[in-house]
Amino acid sequence: EAGVAQSPRYKIIEKRQSVAFWCNPISGHATLYWYQQILGQGPKLLIQFQNNGVVDDSQLPKDRFSAERLKGVDSTLKIQPAKLEDSAVYLCASSPVGRNTGELFFGEGSRLTVL
Amino acid sequence: GENVEQHPSTLSVQEGDSAVIKCTYSDSASNYFPWYKQELGKGPQLIIDIRSNVGEKKDQRIAVTLNKTAKHFSLHITETQPEDSAVYFCAAYNPSGTYKYIFGTGTRLKVLA
Repeated sequence: EAGVAQSPRYKIIEKRQSVAFWCNPISGHATLYWYQQILGQGPKLLIQFQNNGVVDDSQLPKDRFSAERLKGVDSTLKIQPAKLEDSAVYLCASSPVGRNTGELFFGEGSRLTVL
Repeated sequence: GENVEQHPSTLSVQEGDSAVIKCTYSDSASNYFPWYKQELGKGPQLIIDIRSNVGEKKDQRIAVTLNKTAKHFSLHITETQPEDSAVYFCAAYNPSGTYKYIFGTGTRLKVLA
């Protein structure tokens, strides 16, 4: 079974530039999460999708971050304009639908450096 | 807001010794407590989990204990090996809360050969 795919693995941009990250979850997983992991900290939820609907985006800085999951499969997270404090690893995770609690399957992450 | 505290932030043990990592959560409605291992350059991977109706769970060299009254849960690794070196995260899950999974701040475990 293929795991969660993310790209790009690494991205370096100047502040005020834009960046986009892509995630393809495990086939059949209806729930998709984007987490931000700042160095030395635990993952912090940015947004959670169930199929193509948003379940929770309360911690997403909506003035600069946006995310979509148009067909309920893969997802894109965009940052525009980027700030220095956005330097982090952006982790995508998925889990099967219908499970109230259960394992999150993470991708390897996209490391963003903002200069 | 709700949070999960994790201690220690770093832990060094000799190969073959035991390692214990502790977490405390604040949301009493949390009912699922997973532990994830994150190796360098990779995403976190589930190593063991426990649900609120169980006090202890073991899987070979790793075990997790849960004290719901005190809102504590701990990861125990026995007979540590160099490949156990990684960052470990605990998490608490509330299926009805605003924040579904809340992660701890992580423990960097180093097993010295």
